[in-house]
Amino acid sequence: GQQLNQSPQSMFIQEGEDVSMNCTSSSIFNTWLWYKQDPGEGPVLLIALYKAGELTSNGRLTAQFGITRKDSFLNISASIPSDVGIYFCAGQTPLSDYKLSFGAGTTVTVRA
Amino acid sequence: NAGVTQTPKFQVLKTGQSMTLQCAQDMNHNSMYWYRQDPGMGLRLIYYSASEGTTDKGEVPNGYNVSRLNKREFSLRLESAAPSQTSVYFCASSERTGEDGYTFGSGTRLTVV
Repeated sequence: GQQLNQSPQSMFIQEGEDVSMNCTSSSIFNTWLWYKQDPGEGPVLLIALYKAGELTSNGRLTAQFGITRKDSFLNISASIPSDVGIYFCAGQTPLSDYKLSFGAGTTVTVRA
Repeated sequence: NAGVTQTPKFQVLKTGQSMTLQCAQDMNHNSMYWYRQDPGMGLRLIYYSASEGTTDKGEVPNGYNVSRLNKREFSLRLESAAPSQTSVYFCASSERTGEDGYTFGSGTRLTVV
């Protein structure tokens, strides 16, 4: 699959903080998706983006499809403890034959 | 409303043993996938089936085989397990285009000793 570079690799959150993560690629994507994985579970879709420049919210989560179509951002506002988990970006290129490529994930942990 | 069901949830194998991971979806999806997840590596595609009757290799197919038994079921077989196959395995399904994302099962944690 296409290489997706997701950063940061890990982060610590404090309750109430706003946090953000991003995903970049050298290829153009026509779909960007953000997933969250809780411990012991499979990834669950949070937000799907289909157009360059699109900004979509799901509760305290907001994601954007980059104008260049080579990147996407996910922001979490006013963090709460249940936001911990692994967040994955995923995308489809025009030539991917419907398969998704996944980033390596951002692990979000609560700061003690 | 089961979604994607994987069995078993946990398995320990000895090197050289074989086993089959089962996956079934009840969403009438055309496409099904098998991924493995390793720390720091994200999700890597092992095999996929775009539609009933077809299967194709993904990024890391070596050591695995698959069977799309019918539209609902897609199994992953390890013929001779190796310690490098210790991982968490996820099955997923989607509509044909996949652009609405995949629905994942809860995973099988496999340890090969």
